[in-house]
Amino acid sequence: KAGVTQTPRYLIKTRGQQVTLSCSPISGHRSVSWYQQTPGQGLQFLFEYFSETQRNKGNFPGRFSGRQFSNSRSEMNVSTLELGDSALYLCASRADSTYEQYFGPGTRLTVT
Amino acid sequence: DQQVKQNSPSLSVQEGRISILNCDYTNSMFDYFLWYKKYPAEGPTFLISISSIKDKNEDGRFTVFLNKSAKHLSLHIVPSQPGDSAVYFCAVGVNAGGTSYGKLTFGQGTILTVHP
Repeated sequence: KAGVTQTPRYLIKTRGQQVTLSCSPISGHRSVSWYQQTPGQGLQFLFEYFSETQRNKGNFPGRFSGRQFSNSRSEMNVSTLELGDSALYLCASRADSTYEQYFGPGTRLTVT
Repeated sequence: DQQVKQNSPSLSVQEGRISILNCDYTNSMFDYFLWYKKYPAEGPTFLISISSIKDKNEDGRFTVFLNKSAKHLSLHIVPSQPGDSAVYFCAVGVNAGGTSYGKLTFGQGTILTVHP
């Protein structure tokens, strides 16, 4: 099976812009979770989508949003970008009724 | 307030010896535990997991031990190999009827260096 894929791998945006990141889970996985990794805060949970519904949400401002499509692919959007949003954004998928999450390679977002 | 702590930022081990990575957590509600390995600019790679009903799980060179009374988790790698050099993260979660499996809380990571 192909692993989790994320596009794009690298992005450079300026403050105030918005960005959309994409994630395709492992075939058959219906759950997709998103995480942000920064040097200061480490790996932090953003949100989880399951069957097109947001099921869990982390402690991030409303500028961070996401959605999931019927084929389980997911997108996350960050509006009004701030310098502090520069990070590696990771998505992970898992099979139903399991807790092991499998991560994609991440999207490196740089905000200037 | 860090719920998951990896108190050793780094660990250096000789090839062939045992590597022991440690993780402490504060919330007794956590009931599943995972270890991930990560290289720079890549996503974490799942290594091994354990649920709270067990105290040990083995997979090849990797063994995870869980001490629920001490709220302590450890990963043993035997024998260690230079290719094991990476950052290791422990991650924990709460099973609320299966609906919370998607949320993991991570430790800050331990950099493991295995010298030839």
